[in-house]
Amino acid sequence: DTGVSQNPRHKITKRGQNVTFRCDPISEHNRLYWYRQTLGQGPEFLTYFQNEAQLEKSRLLSDRFSAERPKGSFSTLEIQRTEQGDSAMYLCASSSLLVVRAEVQETQYFGPGTRLLVL
Amino acid sequence: AQSVTQPDIHITVSEGASLELRCNYSYGATPYLFWYVQSPGQGLQLLLKYFSGDTLVQGIKGFEAEFKRSQSSFNLRKPSVHWSDAAEYFCAVEMDSSYKLIFGSGTRLLVRP
Repeated sequence: DTGVSQNPRHKITKRGQNVTFRCDPISEHNRLYWYRQTLGQGPEFLTYFQNEAQLEKSRLLSDRFSAERPKGSFSTLEIQRTEQGDSAMYLCASSSLLVVRAEVQETQYFGPGTRLLVL
Repeated sequence: AQSVTQPDIHITVSEGASLELRCNYSYGATPYLFWYVQSPGQGLQLLLKYFSGDTLVQGIKGFEAEFKRSQSSFNLRKPSVHWSDAAEYFCAVEMDSSYKLIFGSGTRLLVRP
């Protein structure tokens, strides 16, 4: 178990450019989440996948944000026409479901994050 | 609205002293509860979790947390803090089996030598 990995770890870009981040989940995990964390705040949910299906994307911040998980393994998060307000840490998490006495329990494990700075 | 409150933005304790970090949530039923720790520039590491059963849960690094339904709280404790515990601590809840975690705004722990 190598944990959740994210690349790049840091990205500096100019306003108006497009950026793409990659997340590789723990191999046996079928759920994958994206969160955004701004300075001094807790992470904020953006979207999630179960296998290759994107089951919730209403929290994506605008139509400039999109995410994919084409083969149910790694995922990418793209931000088009970046703005300075997009500067943040973007965190990925993966999880699997465990059924304990008929109760579904899920634990999310986070990657190291990608820190984006938009100049 | 469902929310998570960590009332202490910063806490400073001396090394070897005990620690309690507070977490309260606003929700009509019992959520699933988590504590994560984040070192500067890093991702979040899971410390412990509560789904049901025994309301006192043990985690890694000597941390424990107690769920109190009557107070809608899930406070994190450690009997003796080490300098390496200095970090930011986040309480998170999952409500309505809604898959997503709702985080508090975090408590930054500083440890005095």
